[in-house]
Amino acid sequence: DAKTTQPTSMDCAEGRAANLPCNHSTISGNEYVYWYRQIHSQGPQYIIHGLKNNETNEMASLIITEDRKSSTLILPHATLRDTAVYYCIVRVGAAGNKLTFGGGTRVLVKP
Amino acid sequence: DVKVTQSSRYLVKRTGEKVFLECVQDMDHENMFWYRQDPGLGLRLIYFSYDVKMKEKGDIPEGYSVSREKKERFSLILESASTNQTSMYLCASSPWTRANTEAFFGQGTRLTVV
Repeated sequence: DAKTTQPTSMDCAEGRAANLPCNHSTISGNEYVYWYRQIHSQGPQYIIHGLKNNETNEMASLIITEDRKSSTLILPHATLRDTAVYYCIVRVGAAGNKLTFGGGTRVLVKP
Repeated sequence: DVKVTQSSRYLVKRTGEKVFLECVQDMDHENMFWYRQDPGLGLRLIYFSYDVKMKEKGDIPEGYSVSREKKERFSLILESASTNQTSMYLCASSPWTRANTEAFFGQGTRLTVV
């Protein structure tokens, strides 16, 4: 699975959009981009995933660049409950669904 | 609501003890996983299983074994617990499918070996 690079931490203001970048320059054609988050003292929670096209669900939007070497997770209106570590994961969408977690981005939403 | 349940939230064991960490999922998922999480090291995969009685080593299997006798249950076994196995242990499950799916995680078991 391709390796990802994320900033170690970032702050954002409550009510504003939070844009979380992820670099995956070695991604191959059959690898998907996944985002999970982990709120303190809880297990990771799935947010969204995509292959080429931008994706949106009730939690977030995922913007993938045309060359697929980077992506951005957008939390449209950050709340204090969005404070968490956010993981960007790239993996082949085949058997096993094994996830390899990197260091993630620690996001602090401030009032 | 989908659920992955880990038997204990907190556990304290002595060095040398045999420790069982249990995980049960109610979603009829084929895949189950055990991770450990340590400060500065993130989540690391210990073992995973694609089916009953099948298991595959993850990135850090040393000192651990697993058992999957029933589809819904995946046990992590520390044959002889050591202090360096003090950690947060997380279980996850996902369905077997060629389409992309999410993995569901339990709340974690914080194990302290003294």
